[in-house]
Amino acid sequence: KAGVTQTPRYLIKTRGQQVTLSCSPISGHRSVSWYQQTPGQGLQFLFEYFSETQRNKGNFPGRFSGRQFSNSRSEMNVSTLELGDSALYLCASSLGSGQGTYEQYFGPGTRLTVT
Amino acid sequence: GENVEQHPSTLSVQEGDSAVIKCTYSDSASNYFPWYKQELGKRPQLIIDIRSNVGEKKDQRIAVTLNKTAKHFSLHITETQPEDSAVYFCAASISQADMRFGAGTRLTVKP
Repeated sequence: KAGVTQTPRYLIKTRGQQVTLSCSPISGHRSVSWYQQTPGQGLQFLFEYFSETQRNKGNFPGRFSGRQFSNSRSEMNVSTLELGDSALYLCASSLGSGQGTYEQYFGPGTRLTVT
Repeated sequence: GENVEQHPSTLSVQEGDSAVIKCTYSDSASNYFPWYKQELGKRPQLIIDIRSNVGEKKDQRIAVTLNKTAKHFSLHITETQPEDSAVYFCAASISQADMRFGAGTRLTVKP
C-alpha cells in the first residue's frame, strides 16, 4: 500500500496570507489527524476528521481549520498567518473505527515558513 | 483533554548501554499508548505500542511497560546502537479521535 502523502512539502508565505495543506491517507483509512510540530513543543494536536466530520479539536485558534472529503483526503487551512505559525505540519492516518484501530501512520509533513 | 509529560528531554548513553524514557498521562480513560521514533528530517515511525489491558510488551531490543494505577508508561531500549539515535515520542489515546503526544526525548547513542 502507498503511504500517507502530503503536499506541498515546503511552503514559504508572508504574514497575513493564508495557506492550504493537503493530506492523502493510506488507502482504506478513514481518519486523518493533523499535528503541528515545533522544536521543543513536540507534536501539538490540531484536529481529527473521520468520514468528513471533525470528531475532535485541539487548543488552536479559529485561524486553523480543516476539512475532509468523501475520498478521505483532508486539507487544513491557516488564515492570517503569523510568524509563530512556522512549523512542520504533519498529518497521520488511521482506520478510525473498530477494534484495534488506533495505530496512526504519519505523512512526511509540510514545512511552512512564515516571513 | 489528555496531558502527557515525557522525561528526560535529552538522554545520552554509551553504545551497548540501556536507555529508559518515561511518560505520565493525566486521563485515566486513556487506553492506548504508542511510541514513535523520529530520525532527523524524517516522519515519526511507530515502533511499539501497548494497550491498557497489558502490562508489558517486548519486541527484540525494545520494551514498553505500563502502570495504570500510577498512570505512567516507559520505553526501554537495551543494547543501544548508534542507529537508535533519534527523537522518541510517547503518546496516550482516549479514542481513535484523540491522541496526545509528549514533548519528545532526544536520544544520542555514542559509539
